[in-house]
Amino acid sequence: AQSVTQLGSHVSVSEGALVLLRCNYSSSVPPYLFWYVQYPNQGLQLLLKYTTGATLVKGINGFEAEFKKSETSFHLTKPSAHMSDAAEYFCAVSDRDSSNTGKLIFGQGTTLQVKP
Amino acid sequence: NAGVTQTPKFQVLKTGQSMTLQCAQDMNHEYMSWYRQDPGMGLRLIHYSVGAGITDQGEVPNGYNVSRSTTEDFPLRLLSAAPSQTSVYFCASTVTSGGYNEQFFGPGTRLTVL
Repeated sequence: AQSVTQLGSHVSVSEGALVLLRCNYSSSVPPYLFWYVQYPNQGLQLLLKYTTGATLVKGINGFEAEFKKSETSFHLTKPSAHMSDAAEYFCAVSDRDSSNTGKLIFGQGTTLQVKP
Repeated sequence: NAGVTQTPKFQVLKTGQSMTLQCAQDMNHEYMSWYRQDPGMGLRLIHYSVGAGITDQGEVPNGYNVSRSTTEDFPLRLLSAAPSQTSVYFCASTVTSGGYNEQFFGPGTRLTVL
């Protein structure tokens, strides 16, 4: 069964530093890949997604992620962290044969702390 | 366009009580899902629906029932609440376009079972 692993349940960076949140998936067939952000006491908001084509995907708020098939990874990065980036981030995948069922598999989540 | 709405925002139940968590979407999406969010476990799929009259089980369906009588509404029922069902519940509505499914989430219902 498909699984998603986010390395590091908590990541702490200083304001202005690089943000790197790691995500690996398990399937041999590349799935659709997503990153969601959850601000405190709110629902999830889509940051970016990879479906096909260019492997470097740009999302909202200056985030981007690169799909690397050889590493089965989809790590999320941002060159310079801002205090407002403090939130929980979820990586999610959808098997291409599940595209008509709306089923997503989520990683455990990574809480990003940004220090002044 | 309100997107995905959920009620109530907060709820406290006693063990054995029943309740229904409401979810509605106004985007005419065929696919809707219920997830629960627990610390360190991400979101886990409870039930999902691919259209009115069609539902199926997700990863953690035990203790929950769903029905889908209309495209807009997808209520989640707890027939006999247990402390293990203390969680945050999210409803999601899905668009499928170009073969992928982007999900839109409601604001969540925070449930405590005593």
